[in-house]
Amino acid sequence: DAMVIQNPRYQVTQFGKPVTLSCSQTLNHNVMYWYQQKSSQAPKLLFHYYDKDFNNEADTPDNFQSRRPNTSFCFLDIRSPGLGDAAMYLCATSRDPGLAASYNEQFFGPGTRLTVL
Amino acid sequence: RKEVEQDPGPFNVPEGATVAFNCTYSNSASQSFFWYRQDCRKEPKLLMSVYSSGNEDGRFTAQLNRASQYISLLIRDSKLSDSATYLCVVHTGGFKTIFGAGTRLFVKA
Repeated sequence: DAMVIQNPRYQVTQFGKPVTLSCSQTLNHNVMYWYQQKSSQAPKLLFHYYDKDFNNEADTPDNFQSRRPNTSFCFLDIRSPGLGDAAMYLCATSRDPGLAASYNEQFFGPGTRLTVL
Repeated sequence: RKEVEQDPGPFNVPEGATVAFNCTYSNSASQSFFWYRQDCRKEPKLLMSVYSSGNEDGRFTAQLNRASQYISLLIRDSKLSDSATYLCVVHTGGFKTIFGAGTRLFVKA
């Protein structure tokens, strides 16, 4: 089945120790998104890639970076995790939303729950 | 004012009840609307898309009122398995998608 996969599902890191979260997709979608979701809050978009074009949200801290080496994979790098970065990180994909309204639908991976000690 | 606002609930209803959630959005140029369901500590999953005035899928009905800028979700004959958080999602153009904070539903036997 076509899907969005995230690894690891649970990640524990130490304060200030860099961490990388991984997302892969078999949907062949143009767009990949990274969201941060804290308890009882809405998912907050950090950035997205449209093919190789990277788009950062204005309020995303510099501590968060991303890489997309190919269509299938996208990585979230947290350079110096703080206690406030503990959250669920969700990867999502979509087709090109400019082509049709239905292409705005996003498909989510199961998320990586990050704990910062 | 938040771009997408939902009543956080929680809504506590008995099995078989009908329950309705509302969601308001601030950007009148918003183009697409979705309801996602999110179970505790899981990812959001698409429940319904709303492109015109409304959409119905079994026990679920979503309606869109562009003039008043709100979307609603009606769940009929609630099941225990409907217990979850329901996220209202608004696509405002380009790649901009705004999530509401969600409405929690508890269905009790």
